[in-house]
Amino acid sequence: AQSVAQPEDQVNVAEGNPLTVKCTYSVSGNPYLFWYVQYPNRGLQFLLKYITGDNLVKGSYGFEAEFNKSQTSFHLKKPSALVSDSALYFCAVRDMYSGGGADGLTFGKGTHLIIQP
Amino acid sequence: GAVVSQHPSRVICKSGTSVKIECRSLDFQATTMFWYRQFPKQSLMLMATSNEGSKATYEQGVEKDKFLINHASLTLSTLTVTSAHPEDSSFYICSARSSTYNEQFFGPGTRLTVL
Repeated sequence: AQSVAQPEDQVNVAEGNPLTVKCTYSVSGNPYLFWYVQYPNRGLQFLLKYITGDNLVKGSYGFEAEFNKSQTSFHLKKPSALVSDSALYFCAVRDMYSGGGADGLTFGKGTHLIIQP
Repeated sequence: GAVVSQHPSRVICKSGTSVKIECRSLDFQATTMFWYRQFPKQSLMLMATSNEGSKATYEQGVEKDKFLINHASLTLSTLTVTSAHPEDSSFYICSARSSTYNEQFFGPGTRLTVL
């Protein structure tokens, strides 16, 4: 079974400061890792993913995430936060070798990111 | 890029009626589609996975006779909530994946309110 933990329900950051949204995962094999952002009453927007290769992944809107296999983490980061980054962020995982019918993503519970002007 | 649409975006229905939600991949062929539901302030929970032309695979605890899924073509999957009740009120989100893209693309979601 695979699981994702986002330990923080909410993260508050002042505009212009760096931000980090934490995510740890558990899979039986090698992971595919994803970050999505959700605005109120909207679907999910893809930010970035880690499949293989460089541990530092760069994505949309200036976000990046670092895959750390030893710590089973995939924290989302941005050097300088914008007020418009305020939203709900989800980390998700899929086992690279999962197959068959039931290989959807497993999501964390989400972290509300609030950027204060 | 890969775009997934859902229709309707919002639906209100009376208890006991059935509601159909459509999920379409607009510019790619989706060999697999997924249906999720999201309760307020909670995460997405996978309900079922459907592969084109075959029966859907439901997650544990999801009633297959209540949530009927049809994936009749490579660009369309439908979720029918049968005999809806107020506890079925939720945000339903579909996603689609192709053999080309090893990731899921999400629709904008459908807000279902059962009175």
